[in-house]
Amino acid sequence: GNSVTQMEGPVTLSEEAFLTINCTYTATGYPSLFWYVQYPGEGLQLLLKATKADDKGSNKGFEATYRKETTSFHLEKGSVQVSDSAVYFCALMRGTSYGKLTFGQGTILTVHP
Amino acid sequence: DAEITQSPRHKITETGRQVTLACHQTWNHNNMFWYRQDLGHGLRLIHYSYGVQDTNKGEVSDGYSVSRSNTEDLPLTLESAASSQTSVYFCASSERRAVYEQYFGPGTRLTVT
Repeated sequence: GNSVTQMEGPVTLSEEAFLTINCTYTATGYPSLFWYVQYPGEGLQLLLKATKADDKGSNKGFEATYRKETTSFHLEKGSVQVSDSAVYFCALMRGTSYGKLTFGQGTILTVHP
Repeated sequence: DAEITQSPRHKITETGRQVTLACHQTWNHNNMFWYRQDLGHGLRLIHYSYGVQDTNKGEVSDGYSVSRSNTEDLPLTLESAASSQTSVYFCASSERRAVYEQYFGPGTRLTVT
């Protein structure tokens, strides 16, 4: 079946540090890959996506590249801010699943001033 | 502005009671989803609907039911609440022709005592 595995958290960084959150997946075929972010007390919102191999999704300074050879979609940001403190979810959607998402367990990020 | 709302935001109920969580969206989206969020599990799909009168089971559907009588609403019913159903519940919707982005509600925190 489909599954998504994220690095164990929580992750604690100082402002302006470099961020990497690892994500690997298992799926048949060619899934689309996503990062969602959940700020405290809110629902999830889409951060970025990539729909085919070697695509790079980017938004708000965050980037992730769809690597089919390593089945990975790691999230990176060059310089984090306190406002980036949130829970980050990696997710996949198979082409045949028509909108159904499979989520990883989430990684809590805390950024200190 | 279009939005997706959930009610109540917090609910405490007793084991064995029937509980209904409401989800209402004004995006006019065809697709609607219910997830539960538990520590260490990320979000798991409970039920989903692709349109009026359409409902489908997700990966953790036991003990839950949904009905879709109009485009805007997908209420989630716990037939006989159990302590294992203590969780945070999220509703989401997406457009039929743009399935990649799901819009999430703010969540309902349910405690079953």
